Amino acid sequence: AQSVTQLGSHVSVSEGALVLLRCNYSSSVPPYLFWYVQYPNQGLQLLLKYTSAATLVKGINGFEAEFKKSETSFHLTKPSAHMSDAAEYFCAVSLSGSARQLTFGSGTQLTVLP
Amino acid sequence: ETGVTQTPRHLVMGMTNKKSLKCEQHLGHNAMYWYKQSAKKPLELMFVYSLEERVENNSVPSRFSPECPNSSHLFLHLHTLQPEDSALYLCASSQSGGELFFGEGSRLTVL
Repeated sequence: AQSVTQLGSHVSVSEGALVLLRCNYSSSVPPYLFWYVQYPNQGLQLLLKYTSAATLVKGINGFEAEFKKSETSFHLTKPSAHMSDAAEYFCAVSLSGSARQLTFGSGTQLTVLP
Repeated sequence: ETGVTQTPRHLVMGMTNKKSLKCEQHLGHNAMYWYKQSAKKPLELMFVYSLEERVENNSVPSRFSPECPNSSHLFLHLHTLQPEDSALYLCASSQSGGELFFGEGSRLTVL
């Protein structure tokens, strides 16, 4: 069985501040982990994915995430928020890495304040 | 056209209507998906078509009926829907179960 929990359905940060979006997973085996972003009125877009090659994963738009097995976490960070980062962010897990077996979290809405 | 295109973008229908959502992918992928996105809930995988084989979520009501005539086109036929079916329906495609590429979604409102 696999699941993800995103802590905080809404997060607000000031422009230029650190962005931290939390994701914890539950999996019986080492999982594949993903972060997707959904901008207003658009579909989801892959930000980054963890496939066991390296624990720190760099993605698009300056985002990165660190896989911590001991904490079963895969938190998403960005050092300095930009207004264009305002969107909804989804964490997802797959035991096999296949898109057919992806389980998504409930999402975190990020607001960036001027 | 590039990527994954969904039509219509918005649809309002009564509970007795029959309508269809259309999805077309221009990426040469061999798998297509329908997801349901409801507010504050995780994305729900409804159907997958991969190499002409259909895989479905057994919890999806029969009032939703998918059709995949070829690897580039996917339809979701809707009939006698309920108000709780109002949601954003997302189509996606991938190559052999790899990265998902999503369309912009069809916003469905059932009155």
